Amino acid sequence: QQQVKQSPQSLIVQKGGISIINCAYENTAFDYFPWYQQFPGKGPALLIAIRPDVSEKKEGRFTISFNKSAKQFSLHIMDSQPGDSATYFCAASIANSGNTPLVFGKGTRLSVIA
Amino acid sequence: ETGVTQTPRHLVMGMTNKKSLKCEQHLGHNAMYWYKQSAKKPLELMFVYSLEERVENNSVPSRFSPECPNSSHLFLHLHTLQPEDSALYLCASSQALPGAGGEKLFFGSGTQLSVL
Repeated sequence: QQQVKQSPQSLIVQKGGISIINCAYENTAFDYFPWYQQFPGKGPALLIAIRPDVSEKKEGRFTISFNKSAKQFSLHIMDSQPGDSATYFCAASIANSGNTPLVFGKGTRLSVIA
Repeated sequence: ETGVTQTPRHLVMGMTNKKSLKCEQHLGHNAMYWYKQSAKKPLELMFVYSLEERVENNSVPSRFSPECPNSSHLFLHLHTLQPEDSALYLCASSQALPGAGGEKLFFGSGTQLSVL
């Protein structure tokens, strides 16, 4: 129940296209859903996050869509650029869960080709 | 620069060696984490320290030994490692305590470890 399932494992998108990465969870107690971006040779960095009281959050070209009933959330990268090529991790956590840290998905390696 | 510094960046060691990884955070955060990253398990939580006290040990073999002497420093002591322990070891910190909800993790760039 503490798992977050992420798909696809890898993704190739043309420059200017839309990249979509999906995550699903079972534990309805999760109430915070961040996405992390990791470039080669660097650690992951927080990209964007959402809480279940909204269905969508947008920051620039990055949008999180959240479907509470389906227990799914996704990251959309509009107008994808080669500089977006990185590994993306979804995650989830529960407030006041007694020291239970963030749970990460297994990551999606995105390649944006010109 | 995330404010979390890890040294060394690369480490090659034999199976009988003893080495230590160091992590330092300059952010005044209250929690620190060790993660192992490999192709098989991309972000595997190893240890969590909250206010300098270890609160989670994800069934990590005893050949890995963490130490948190103060809120700014975290070490991972390594001894008698196996080749399958070769991976990228990432340190992270957060202001919010684990389980508080909404914690934002700041990661270092990691130590790439190769065990021969």
